[in-house]
Amino acid sequence: EVQLVESGGGLVQPGGSLRLSCAASGFTFSSYEMNWVRQAPGKGLEWVSYISSSGSTIYYADSVKGRFTISRDNAKNSLYLQMNSLRAEDTAVYYCARDPTGGGWFDPWGQGTLVTVSS
Amino acid sequence: SSELTQDPAVSVALGQTVRITCQGDSLRSYYASWYQQKPGQAPVLVIYGKNNRPSGIPDRFSGSSSGNTASLTITGAQAEDEADYYCNSRDSSGTGVVFGGGTKLTVL
Repeated sequence: EVQLVESGGGLVQPGGSLRLSCAASGFTFSSYEMNWVRQAPGKGLEWVSYISSSGSTIYYADSVKGRFTISRDNAKNSLYLQMNSLRAEDTAVYYCARDPTGGGWFDPWGQGTLVTVSS
Repeated sequence: SSELTQDPAVSVALGQTVRITCQGDSLRSYYASWYQQKPGQAPVLVIYGKNNRPSGIPDRFSGSSSGNTASLTITGAQAEDEADYYCNSRDSSGTGVVFGGGTKLTVL
């Protein structure tokens, strides 16, 4: 079964840092492009970041550029999101999602991990 | 970047057909995909590409596109289809992804 499991969320103060992880199983992780998508409480979905299968190509949403860093470890079947200089508006459930064909659609998604930025 | 616009809410009578639309300039270049999200759950892909359904998605879900508008049609809506639906596509630059604001579907 193809599965993605996020971890690392929690409560952090404004200006703080957090590192999210996404553990992949059930497929050849190194062959797939991956993304992070977030959803603020009661709000819609917002794409955050993309990383190619090899990790050589990376893109970010303007809202997180310069503060967040996406990375992956294909040997560990894991995707990461390092989040620095966190703001209240970064409060959201963060999902990792696989892009099966590079076409910009996501399947499957993990169950999400909640990040709360508050003092 | 670019934007995708969806109606905030749509309703349909049980067993009837409903169309949910998504508008944006990026749709002139890229296909939309559609996601169903129920409360407290992660989104689930229901339509991708020209009109493709992932395994396990009922065939009452279909997609279409014309110009800058993509549509998700549910033919014979069921009670379990009540959910939020989001469209997305690559953005106009092709390097990012943009989501619509979502449509809350109510099945009456």
